Amino acid sequence: DAKTTQPPSMDCAEGRAANLPCNHSTISGNEYVYWYRQIHSQGPQYIIHGLKNNETNEMASLIITEDRKSSTLILPHATLRDTAVYYCIVRAQNSGGSNYKLTFGKGTLLTVNP
Amino acid sequence: EAGVAQSPRYKIIEKRQSVAFWCNPISGHATLYWYQQILGQGPKLLIQFQNNGVVDDSQLPKDRFSAERLKGVDSTLKIQPAKLEDSAVYLCASSPWTGGANTEAFFGQGTRLTVV
Repeated sequence: DAKTTQPPSMDCAEGRAANLPCNHSTISGNEYVYWYRQIHSQGPQYIIHGLKNNETNEMASLIITEDRKSSTLILPHATLRDTAVYYCIVRAQNSGGSNYKLTFGKGTLLTVNP
Repeated sequence: EAGVAQSPRYKIIEKRQSVAFWCNPISGHATLYWYQQILGQGPKLLIQFQNNGVVDDSQLPKDRFSAERLKGVDSTLKIQPAKLEDSAVYLCASSPWTGGANTEAFFGQGTRLTVV
């Protein structure tokens, strides 16, 4: 499975954009980049995923570099409720090749300050 | 739609006792996962089911942990006997099966286990 590297923590001012980086230099050509977040005392929540093109949904935008070795999750207008641990994950297949599993690292603790 | 349901939310047991956790996935989701999350770490996959069959249990400590998913719906995870290092949050997640296409996993709130 491709490994990811994220900063352990980041701060962001409320109302500003939060840009969370992730390195995945060993990603394979058919592996997707997923982002999840985990608010305190809750289970992880899916945010967005992508393969090579930039993606946007109602929660965030995902920018993937052309060489696919890194990506950035962007929360355009961070609020206090966005304070959470953000996980960047590269999709892995089980040995059987027919299912996918999520391998979590330690993630980035994003603290949004008033 | 209803989310992934887990019970209990909290459990405190003494070491060497047994404990069981229950998970009811989202209706129609074929894939079910159990994760263990130790304080300060990301979740670690223990076991993954596809319907009622196990597709990955490589990180499940099989000498003390067991899991089943009878009838391919709800699932139980058991620890017998528990050790102090089993103190963690146990998360259940489910996802629909779409023939290999990427899908998101939906997580429950977890069961916080404390072994004393």
